[in-house]
Amino acid sequence: EPEVTQTPSHQVTQMGQEVILRCVPISNHLYFYWYRQILGQKVEFLVSFYNNEISEKSEIFDDQFSVERPDGSNFTLKIRSTKLEDSAMYFCASSGDSYNSPLHFGNGTRLTVT
Amino acid sequence: GQQLNQSPQSMFIQEGEDVSMNCTSSSIFNTWLWYKQDPGEGPVLLIALYKAGELTSNGRLTAQFGITRKDSFLNISASIPSDVGIYFCAGPGGSYGQNFVFGPGTRLSVLP
Repeated sequence: EPEVTQTPSHQVTQMGQEVILRCVPISNHLYFYWYRQILGQKVEFLVSFYNNEISEKSEIFDDQFSVERPDGSNFTLKIRSTKLEDSAMYFCASSGDSYNSPLHFGNGTRLTVT
Repeated sequence: GQQLNQSPQSMFIQEGEDVSMNCTSSSIFNTWLWYKQDPGEGPVLLIALYKAGELTSNGRLTAQFGITRKDSFLNISASIPSDVGIYFCAGPGGSYGQNFVFGPGTRLSVLP
């Protein structure tokens, strides 16, 4: 069964550094998402992406965050200058042919900012 | 924005027992999704619901889309140890419904 893949599984970085989290969504999906989950808390929406542009973003997704689909397969999340509070699991998700199609998640990247 | 509440927050049950949990929303939804998350992994889709009153099963799991469209229920029959995890409900969120908002989750523990 097709799946969403994320790399790396764990990223450790120093405060102020830039990080790029990578995702390969399911190949025929059209909608792409980033969510994050701080340890022990709920899954929070960051951004949705459709037709090569951001369709919606949350208050969390400030100017330090950006997303890109640089080619036909990858979908990336960049954090420009990481803060301690950015430490969390970051999940990429994709969905099919309409905006209320179910999301399929990857296994996440654990980001640790020291 | 949309708020989801789930109850109970956590539950401990004996293996073989049935489980019921629910999710309520502050606004009307046209879609309900139920996910399970195991430790260190991403949420896995269990059931998707699209119509008020809809009752859908996936093995031992059954979910219902509430008539009011503000709630949904998930039942697990004859629980087994691998049912342990966090169960999340999700529904359309944001200004245009182009994302899904998640509830806080119900943590299920199954005692042998």
